[in-house]
Amino acid sequence: QMQLQESGLGLVKPSQTLSLICTVSGGSVDRGGHYWSWIRQHPEKGLEWLGYIYYTGNTNYNPTFESRLSMSVDRSTNTFSLELTLMTAADTATYYCARSPLGGRTYDSWGQGIQVFVSS
Amino acid sequence: EIVMTQSPATLSVSPGEGVTLSCGASRSVYNNLAWYQQKPGQAPRLLIYGASTRATDIPARFSGSGSGTEFTLTISSLQSEDFAIYYCQQYNNWPRTFGLGTKVEIK
Repeated sequence: QMQLQESGLGLVKPSQTLSLICTVSGGSVDRGGHYWSWIRQHPEKGLEWLGYIYYTGNTNYNPTFESRLSMSVDRSTNTFSLELTLMTAADTATYYCARSPLGGRTYDSWGQGIQVFVSS
Repeated sequence: EIVMTQSPATLSVSPGEGVTLSCGASRSVYNNLAWYQQKPGQAPRLLIYGASTRATDIPARFSGSGSGTEFTLTISSLQSEDFAIYYCQQYNNWPRTFGLGTKVEIK
């Protein structure tokens, strides 16, 4: 059974960069057709799709974040990563990594989420 | 981007009762619509995709319907484990977007 696990610093200062890693177990990031996404959830609010990366390195970002978002994939460690620059308090949220087995349509495997706070 | 609107925000229901949740899209998403369930402290879980197809291991009491801009999720007889927040998500257009959720709480 596939499992995903987010890791990274949970506290970021304003204007700094958030860096998160998602470790995939029970499956491989280079399986064709699977897209690896980041989704965040503001406290008491809904879900916001940030973007995805494919094992080839192809990415698709939410235009809202495109100017400050970067994703990468590391097939040797079976991980994929997110970097979000110029963090502000509005970026305080729980960040999830998730797998889409259907070309970026639905998300059937999720990490447990990592809470990120932006504060000085 | 497509805006997803869910109603009501909260539903108070007794165990054993049925419930219908609504989801609307700001423009047609055809049947490219999914539903998720989220419990406190957990990640969302995929329930329905293709507007009406249950995901793996999802009980038959969950059913989805609709197409275009109007969709519903029906839970035929609420079990204790069904009290949660339910989100709809469209995957017809980029960026993928979610509704703000409907909380189903115990009456």
